[in-house]
Amino acid sequence: QPVLTQPPSASASLGASVTLTCTLSNGYSNYKVDWYQQRPGKGPHFVMRVGTGGIVGSKGDGIPDRFSVLGSGLNRYLTIKNIQEEDESDYHCGADHGSGSNFLKVFGGGTKLTVL
Amino acid sequence: QVQLQQWGAGLLKPSETLSLTCVVDGGSFSDYYWSWIRQPPGKGLEWIGEINHSGSTKYNPSLESRVTISVDTSKNQFSLNLSSMTAADTAVYYCARGKTGTTMRGAMDVWGKGTTVTVSS
Repeated sequence: QPVLTQPPSASASLGASVTLTCTLSNGYSNYKVDWYQQRPGKGPHFVMRVGTGGIVGSKGDGIPDRFSVLGSGLNRYLTIKNIQEEDESDYHCGADHGSGSNFLKVFGGGTKLTVL
Repeated sequence: QVQLQQWGAGLLKPSETLSLTCVVDGGSFSDYYWSWIRQPPGKGLEWIGEINHSGSTKYNPSLESRVTISVDTSKNQFSLNLSSMTAADTAVYYCARGKTGTTMRGAMDVWGKGTTVTVSS
């Protein structure tokens, strides 16, 4: 099964841009990844799905145009432009693996984004 | 606007069984998968398992021996039982809706507010 690796922390100044990375383990370069935003004390919220061709499907409810994704090789990126205070959150990536009785959802450890 | 409302006991003793229920308020029940996910304090998310409206289940292999997820379509609700609880199972437990279809299968687009579960003697 794939392992998803995320840096534990990131920071960016108000109004700046930041790119968060989710790295798939070797052999899983064709996997799509879901990004979730989790504001402090709240449950996760679906941001969008990303594959090597970019966004898959549509963004989650209320996700602004400032959020975009790219996929390259084993990396899946979430970029946030013009960062706002409300973007300060934990960001999780997740992926589905297998099918039938061997199905499994896996998540990365999450990245805590601090807005300076 | 679809909402997931979840409830269950928040304080358990070691060896007890966790029971949580999530009711789907609004929207279709049969067109989605229904999942349970947990998050230990200060840690990332862990998928527990999922069920569809017909009762077909998938479980995380690491928890499969202790997990049962069931569905009651007449009440638009699904439930989680996790047996033999230990301190390592202390976490916030979430229910979530998972999309179906070819391109978005598994994306969890609606989440409950979470239930804090503590296991302590």
